[in-house]
Amino acid sequence: EDQVTQSPEALRLQEGESSSLNCSYTVSGLRGLFWYRQDPGKGPEFLFTLYSAGEEKEKERLKATLTKKESFLHITAPKPEDSATYLCATTTGRNYQLIWGAGTKLIIKP
Amino acid sequence: GAVVSQHPSRVICKSGTSVKIECRSLDFQATTMFWYRQFPKQSLMLMATSNEGSKATYEQGVEKDKFLINHASLTLSTLTVTSAHPEDSSFYICSARQIDSYEQYFGPGTRLTVT
Repeated sequence: EDQVTQSPEALRLQEGESSSLNCSYTVSGLRGLFWYRQDPGKGPEFLFTLYSAGEEKEKERLKATLTKKESFLHITAPKPEDSATYLCATTTGRNYQLIWGAGTKLIIKP
Repeated sequence: GAVVSQHPSRVICKSGTSVKIECRSLDFQATTMFWYRQFPKQSLMLMATSNEGSKATYEQGVEKDKFLINHASLTLSTLTVTSAHPEDSSFYICSARQIDSYEQYFGPGTRLTVT
């Protein structure tokens, strides 16, 4: 069964304390691994797409990496404004639908 | 680029009335649009998938006669909640996919409250 699991469920960090969020996936025929950020009361904001193992992408304090079984979202020297729920999703291409993880709620304390 | 808008952002309606929510892709052509529902502190729940010019495909358990979806153009999809009831109160979010891409871009969401 195609599945995406994110860990931890919640993560509290001090401002400037770097860490990583994990997204493990088991899908047949990966067509992409996606990271989104969702703030309360808003729709998800697209961050990255990764297509193949070894691929990395960066945006400001965020860096996403991909292996054959998991993806990491590394956050370097986070600021309070990085607080949000980070969602990971994959697709096998079937109907172009996304398979979602449950998300990691990140809280950055000043 | 890849901006999706939704209108209205908030709507309050009385039980038994119908509400229409619009989803527009502003700077790209959306071959496929998706409609999601999200309850507080819960994951996104896919309601339906619609391709331009075709009938929407609804997920199991979603009443197609209650949630009418129209995707008449490559930049506009609408969701109409018919005969709304308080249990339909939720956060509705649309997303759009452009041709030759698996990426979905999301609208800001619509908060529906049925009184």
